[in-house]
Amino acid sequence: KQEVTQIPAALSVPEGENLVLNCSFTDSAIYNLQWFRQDPGKGLTSLLLIQSSQREQTSGRLNASLDKSSGRSTLYIAASQPGDSATYLCAVEESSFGNEKLTFGTGTRLTIIP
Amino acid sequence: NAGVTQTPKFQVLKTGQSMTLQCAQDMNHEYMSWYRQDPGMGLRLIHYSVGAGITDQGEVPNGYNVSRSTTEDFPLRLLSAAPSQTSVYFCASSYSTRTGGVSGANVLTFGAGSRLTVL
Repeated sequence: KQEVTQIPAALSVPEGENLVLNCSFTDSAIYNLQWFRQDPGKGLTSLLLIQSSQREQTSGRLNASLDKSSGRSTLYIAASQPGDSATYLCAVEESSFGNEKLTFGTGTRLTIIP
Repeated sequence: NAGVTQTPKFQVLKTGQSMTLQCAQDMNHEYMSWYRQDPGMGLRLIHYSVGAGITDQGEVPNGYNVSRSTTEDFPLRLLSAAPSQTSVYFCASSYSTRTGGVSGANVLTFGAGSRLTVL
């Protein structure tokens, strides 16, 4: 059974710093990996999706990388801002048929200190 | 464009009561799903649907029923609520590769969530 782990569970960094969030998964036979952001009391917002054939995806100050062979993904946030404070979750898709095989990690709660 | 709309946002039930969580999307997405989110456990898939008239079980389906009579709506029913069903419930939708959606690009759109407490 696929297991997705995100360590640490919580992270606090001063504003302006670059930071890396980690995601690891046990079964490397994935179809894609997604990173989501969740604000308190809100739903999840998709940030980046990396297909299994890709190594990385970028969106603004966010860069996500994928290493299937080692079962790891990282989300790099450049020049962090207080508005980046949220919980970040990763999820892996194991089926080419859709999202019914999506396994989520428990998330990293990020706090950016002004 | 409203996206995915869930109602109610908050609900308190007594053990044994029944209720329906509503979910509607206006993006013509074929795929819809229900997740529950519990502390320390991540999101777990309850039921999902790849199109109108088609539903299937996810990881934790016991105690929940779903139906998909239209593309837009995917209600989740609790027939006899139990304290173990206290959770935050999320509905999500996306295009589906089963019906010709973009392969490998199944980005999920989530609703804002429904917080359910069963006493």
